Amino acid sequence: NAGVTQTPKFQVLKTGQSMTLQCAQDMNHNSMYWYRQDPGMGLRLIYYSASEGTTDKGEVPNGYNVSRLNKREFSLRLESAAPSQTSVYFCASSEAREQGNLYGYTFGSGTRLTVV
Amino acid sequence: AQSVAQPEDQVNVAEGNPLTVKCTYSVSGNPYLFWYVQYPNRGLQFLLKYITGDNLVKGSYGFEAEFNKSQTSFHLKKPSALVSDSALYFCAVSSTGGGNKLTFGTGTQLKVEL
Repeated sequence: NAGVTQTPKFQVLKTGQSMTLQCAQDMNHNSMYWYRQDPGMGLRLIYYSASEGTTDKGEVPNGYNVSRLNKREFSLRLESAAPSQTSVYFCASSEAREQGNLYGYTFGSGTRLTVV
Repeated sequence: AQSVAQPEDQVNVAEGNPLTVKCTYSVSGNPYLFWYVQYPNRGLQFLLKYITGDNLVKGSYGFEAEFNKSQTSFHLKKPSALVSDSALYFCAVSSTGGGNKLTFGTGTQLKVEL
């Protein structure tokens, strides 16, 4: 019962380095999401993919890119990491419908990223 | 745009006492409301949801929440708190007018003490 799997769990980057956070779900969900969690700010949506082949910006997309590789996988890329991107990143998936999200999300366990 | 407010950063309660974690929301259309819990160094776990029907919703670990449409609130409650309930709690909303995205509150840290 894997659910949503994120890799890596921890990462330290130097400013300017690039990296890709991986996310995979095995629940046949249509929609996938990337959030960042910062103290006092809750979860903020970076990008989401309503269905395979589509991606859209969320609240805080600057400095990030995403790829919905197939129905299972949704990756988040930092092209040139900055200290402001130090955060905990969560991937989530849902069986969303057009008329609102009735089912909530299933979350991965997170990636703790530090940019120095 | 939809939004969620959790007015308390932290709630402290003694074990055995009732607890309430507050949440208010703003949406266009009908709201779908959720509570999630996050334990240290873990992802968010689903607690309960309100979609339609009975305003009192029961969820995991003895938690319940009451939907109040006139006050646009969805407060989380538990009759008798446990130390193991100490965690970060998030309220979230989606709606028929907001597409299929969930909007989260900033979270409330619950601390249950002996």
